[in-house]
Amino acid sequence: DAGVIQSPRHEVTEMGQEVTLRCKPISGHDYLFWYRQTMMRGLELLIYFNNNVPIDDSGMPEDRFSAKMPNASFSTLKIQPSEPRDSAVYFCASSPTSGPGGGNIQYFGAGTRLSVL
Amino acid sequence: QKEVEQDPGPLSVPEGAIVSLNCTYSNSAFQYFMWYRQYSRKGPELLMYTYSSGNKEDGRFTAQVDKSSKYISLFIRDSQPSDSATYLCASRGGANNLFFGTGTRLTVIP
Repeated sequence: DAGVIQSPRHEVTEMGQEVTLRCKPISGHDYLFWYRQTMMRGLELLIYFNNNVPIDDSGMPEDRFSAKMPNASFSTLKIQPSEPRDSAVYFCASSPTSGPGGGNIQYFGAGTRLSVL
Repeated sequence: QKEVEQDPGPLSVPEGAIVSLNCTYSNSAFQYFMWYRQYSRKGPELLMYTYSSGNKEDGRFTAQVDKSSKYISLFIRDSQPSDSATYLCASRGGANNLFFGTGTRLTVIP
């Protein structure tokens, strides 16, 4: 398996523009997580899905952020409109319910480095 | 207050040293404790996890949890330059969402 695949790897945009980040989880994993990582705040959970259904979106900072998971193999995180303070690395991770470690093992993608100018 | 607190470092040690990384957590309901390692420009990857209190050893790495003091530790013996990375502690209760510390950046100098 290729692991969790995120695109794009880098995104540079101007304030006010719409940004869409994409994620393909590992096949068979029923949990998908979106995180944001900054030097100041570390790794923050934004939202997570179980079987394509959003379970907890309490970490989504504002209404400008939205996430969807239309099927088991694809998810998007959208920021509209983007602001300079949204600049961070955004990670997607997936996890199986069962198996060794169960929910403790989250497999992370390589991240999308977002810069909002 | 964050659910999991971690000294951000950075920490710099000579090759062969014993490294001690530490975290504290606030939620008594946390039962699972993990250490993730993150190399530069990569996503975190699970290093090891423990359930409840006690020690767990995996090669040069030992994870330790003291639930009475809500303290999580990772020890690295005979540290190697390849151990240079950011180490993140994480905890969870019954749900599948993890709470991460901010990470400690470790550099092992040859």
